[in-house]
Amino acid sequence: EAGVTQSPTHLIKTRGQQATLRCSPISGHTSVYWYQQALGLGLQFLLWYDEGEERNRGNFPPRFSGRQFPNYSSELNVNALELEDSALYLCASSLFTGELFFGEGSRLTVL
Amino acid sequence: SQQGEEDPQALSIQEGENATMNCSYKTSINNLQWYRQNSGRGLVHLILIRSNEREKHSGRLRVTLDTSKKSSSLLITASRAADTASYFCATDRGGSNYKLTFGKGTLLTVNP
Repeated sequence: EAGVTQSPTHLIKTRGQQATLRCSPISGHTSVYWYQQALGLGLQFLLWYDEGEERNRGNFPPRFSGRQFPNYSSELNVNALELEDSALYLCASSLFTGELFFGEGSRLTVL
Repeated sequence: SQQGEEDPQALSIQEGENATMNCSYKTSINNLQWYRQNSGRGLVHLILIRSNEREKHSGRLRVTLDTSKKSSSLLITASRAADTASYFCATDRGGSNYKLTFGKGTLLTVNP
C-alpha cells in the first residue's frame, strides 16, 4: 500500500513568488493535514481538510491557503513568499481523527 | 502555540541503556501520541494513549500518562543506534475543530 506522497521534494523560490505543494493521501483516507516545520520551531499546524472541506486552520496569514480535491489529494499554496516561509512542509493523512500518517515533506527555500 | 513541551531538549545515551523523555501539556486532552522523526524526514507514529488510560506498551516502548499532572513519558528500553531520532509528543482535544498539536521534540542520540 502506497504511503502519503508529497511533491516536489525540494523547491527554491524568491521573495514575493508563489509556491504550490502537493500531497496524495493514503488510499481510502479522507482527511489531509498540513504542517510547517521551520528550524527551531517544531511543527506548526497549518490546515485540516476532510471530505473536500477546510475543517480547521492554524494561526497563519491568509496567504497560506489550500484545497482538497474530489480524489482527496490536496494542494497547499503560499503566496507572496517571505524569507521566514523557508521550512519543511509536511502533509499527513488519516481515516479518522487519531494516528496521522506523514509524507516525507517538501522543503521550501525562499531566497 | 505549542501544547506539548518535551523534556529534555536533547538526550545522549549509550547503546543498551534506557531513554526516558517527558512531555507536559497545558490544557485537558482527548488523546496523546508520540511520534518519531529521523533527520529532516516525515514523522512516524509510535503510540497513542487515550486520556482514560494510564500506561501503554508497544515492543520496547512504554508510555505513561498522568492527566492530573498533565504529563506523559516515553521510555525506550535497551536502546539501539537506530533509535537515534527526534521524538515528539502530540495532543488533541477532540471535537469538531480537531487539531493535533506537537511539541518541539527531544533529540535522542544513541551512541554505539
